[in-house]
Amino acid sequence: DIQMTQSPSSLSASVGDRVTITCRASQSISNFLNWYQQKPGKAPKVLIYAASSLQSGVPSRFSGSGSGTDFTLTISSLQPEDFATYYCQQSYSTPLTFGQGTKLEIK
Amino acid sequence: QVQLVQSGAEVKKPGSSVKVSCKDSGGTFGNNAISWVRQAPGQGLEWMGVIIPKFGTLNYAQKFQGRVTISADKSTSTAYMELNSLTSDDTAVYYCAREKPTSSGPTSQHYFDPWGQGTLVTVSS
Repeated sequence: DIQMTQSPSSLSASVGDRVTITCRASQSISNFLNWYQQKPGKAPKVLIYAASSLQSGVPSRFSGSGSGTDFTLTISSLQPEDFATYYCQQSYSTPLTFGQGTKLEIK
Repeated sequence: QVQLVQSGAEVKKPGSSVKVSCKDSGGTFGNNAISWVRQAPGQGLEWMGVIIPKFGTLNYAQKFQGRVTISADKSTSTAYMELNSLTSDDTAVYYCAREKPTSSGPTSQHYFDPWGQGTLVTVSS
């Protein structure tokens, strides 16, 4: 199984900050990497697919990069609605696996 | 717009089974895979398995092999996930999600979109 490791596990930041979340795969997954945002009591929502493609309707302050084993999700200027938990997920091979999540909290 | 609507919350006794449904209202049922993902309270996301309704193709996570059955009824555009021999560790929100392809070509990837609203399954004596 491919293990996905996110860092940090939690992060405190302020509105307007630039934030970067990292996801590392235990083996190369090319660009088969998706990012999701989850708010309490809600289903996850896709933000980025194929490592760097922005899902339709998602604000452009979200961006993704990386290939192989190392990936990043960047939020260029945090907005109040961005405080949530973020997950990476590999779609390279089954079993499909997720990172453990990064909880983004208000400082 | 594709929507996945799941059945309601369940409370089950240890050792029993639960069957959760996921109805696709978007009219494209069968063409794309439907996965099941669960989330224990305060925990992360865990993929359980997938079905491609058009072909009946199944793939289960090793962890759930022998204990989970995923099925689909094309006539009602509904997918099902049945989990047997429940324990308290199975208390979780269970989600269905469509695997949306990134393109129509051979190099297409996929991501989960949309998701159902989730079904809370509580296992308690």
